[in-house]
Amino acid sequence: DAKTTQPPSMDCAEGRAANLPCNHSTISGNEYVYWYRQIHSQGPQYIIHGLKNNETNEMASLIITEDRKSSTLILPHATLRDTAVYYCIAARTMNSGGYQKVTFGIGTKLQVIP
Amino acid sequence: DARVTQTPRHKVTEMGQEVTMRCQPILGHNTVFWYRQTMMQGLELLAYFRNRAPLDDSGMPKDRFSAEMPDATLATLKIQPSEPRDSAVYFCASGLSYEQYFGPGTRLTVT
Repeated sequence: DAKTTQPPSMDCAEGRAANLPCNHSTISGNEYVYWYRQIHSQGPQYIIHGLKNNETNEMASLIITEDRKSSTLILPHATLRDTAVYYCIAARTMNSGGYQKVTFGIGTKLQVIP
Repeated sequence: DARVTQTPRHKVTEMGQEVTMRCQPILGHNTVFWYRQTMMQGLELLAYFRNRAPLDDSGMPKDRFSAEMPDATLATLKIQPSEPRDSAVYFCASGLSYEQYFGPGTRLTVT
């Protein structure tokens, strides 16, 4: 099961793009990359996930390198409300190998600065 | 807008008392997770259910914690007896895979 590593903290100016990196060099072929964030005192919030193609939704974009050993979550125009802890995890889907225990780690604390 | 609900939102109890936390998963989701979050340990997985069957509860202290899903609309996490070290925020999440949707949490304080 792949472990992920993230920088503990990052700053981003309001209105600029926030690029949050995640390293998952031991990811296996059937493991997806999932991103969550947790705003202070709230439950974690699902953001996006992907396997090997880049993905985009209304919240963010996910860029996965061709070798799948790392990925970047992009918040295109960061706002103060994006200040949160961002977690990257790697996991198989339930249908492609059943359950696996995943851990959220400590994540990256993103501070958006006015 | 479907959401995971958890009750109570806050609970203060004395050491030795029984605590029951409840979770209503999103209708149609077949996986339910229980997590505990503290400043020291971060977000820890306690238990996992799929189609109401417990598949993994290795994260729970077995002597005092128990988790059940009596039906598809209710998941419970019980602590008996509670101890001060159980003070934490307990989150329930539901989903169809690891795309999980978290509830607001139950903040438990054991004195």
